[in-house]
Amino acid sequence: QVQLVESGGGVVQPGRSLRLSCTASGFIFSSYAMHWVRQAPGKGLEWVAVIWSDGSKKYYADSVKGRFTISRDNSNNTLFLQTNSLRAEDTAVYYCARDPYFGSGSYIDSWGQGTLVTVSS
Amino acid sequence: DIQMTQSPSSLSASVGDRVTITCRASQSISAYLNWYQQKPGKAPKLLISAVSNLQSGVPSRFSGSGSGTDFSLTISSLQPEDFATYYCQESYSTLFTFGPGTKVDIK
Repeated sequence: QVQLVESGGGVVQPGRSLRLSCTASGFIFSSYAMHWVRQAPGKGLEWVAVIWSDGSKKYYADSVKGRFTISRDNSNNTLFLQTNSLRAEDTAVYYCARDPYFGSGSYIDSWGQGTLVTVSS
Repeated sequence: DIQMTQSPSSLSASVGDRVTITCRASQSISAYLNWYQQKPGKAPKLLISAVSNLQSGVPSRFSGSGSGTDFSLTISSLQPEDFATYYCQESYSTLFTFGPGTKVDIK
């Protein structure tokens, strides 16, 4: 079965960095686009970034553009999110999520359990 | 950028009620609209893709409709397991914007 397991969350001071990882199993990772979606405590879902299956294209939400970088290692079935210059408003559960084909009409069909990032001094 | 709104932001309903949630896009998104359900402490779950395509395993009491800018999710007869927050999401653009959510709780 499809499994997405995030790791790397924790408490970090404002301005510092954190690298999130998502290990995938149960499907052909290199065939799927992958997203990061976050959810601040008690708030709604916020899409963060997407990367195409081969890593050739990446898109970011305006709120993280220039600070976050999405990447992937298809040989090790792993998705990454490098988060730099963290702010208090980046505090959230970060979900790794799978997309069958990314493009108009696509959707997220599987989600990880999330990893909590807390930005606090 | 496309903005998504949902109404109501919350509603209280009883088991057996028919419930409709509305989602509106700031510009036409054709039929590129998905619906997700999220229960407390859990990851979201895809219910419906492309306005009305029910995902495998999702009960038929869930249905979606709409086009262009106005969409709706209907639960024909609310069940205890349906109390959750529902999000619409556009996949017309590359920014995959979610609506703010509609919380459905027990009256």
